[in-house]
Amino acid sequence: EVQLLESGGGVVPPGGSLRLSCGASGFTFGSYAMGWVRQAPGKGLEWVSSISGSGSDTYYADSVKGRFTMSKDISKNTLYLQLNSVRADDTALYYCAKDGGNFWTDWRFDSWGQGTLVTVPS
Amino acid sequence: FMLTQPPSVSESPGKTVTMSCTRSSGSIATNYVHWYQQRPGSSPATVIYEDNQRPSGVPDRFSGSIDSSSNSASLTISGLKTEDEGDYYCQSYDSSNQRMVFGGGTKLTVL
Repeated sequence: EVQLLESGGGVVPPGGSLRLSCGASGFTFGSYAMGWVRQAPGKGLEWVSSISGSGSDTYYADSVKGRFTMSKDISKNTLYLQLNSVRADDTALYYCAKDGGNFWTDWRFDSWGQGTLVTVPS
Repeated sequence: FMLTQPPSVSESPGKTVTMSCTRSSGSIATNYVHWYQQRPGSSPATVIYEDNQRPSGVPDRFSGSIDSSSNSASLTISGLKTEDEGDYYCQSYDSSNQRMVFGGGTKLTVL
């Protein structure tokens, strides 16, 4: 059974930094692309970033490009999202998700974690 | 491109509801459309992938389709149950810009 467990959320001041982690189990971590999706309070889903199975390729939404960095440590079965220069509109529940298709032709997620909440006071 | 969904739909138990997802530019058939259900307080879960495929465990009351004439995808739920209430999101891959696109979501109320 696939399990994804996010951690690292909290309250961070504007301009500050935070690192989110996502521990993965139940599948061969290095064989699957992964992603982060966030959901602001009362709002819809917003894709944040994705990373290839090997970790060599990363992709970002325009809203976070240059501020957030995604990485994965295959030896630890852990996914990371480094948040820098955070803003009030980064406040959201951040979900870690596992790719469910052929990452090189289609992106979708087939498993999601429970999310970790990041709050940036305005 | 963007994906546009109606903010809300409502229907009675036992009835059938269809919700749409319209692609703003480019053909809806260019990239697969996937649908996620998010019940209140829960994480999203796939109900339809690759336009019309159901994951194991999703009842056949859920079906998906695409319509090139309206450049939209649709999610249909028949035999509505109160447990179907929640938010439904369509999603597609923008291969030209290597990004994932979500629709704004449709809130389903089963009254």
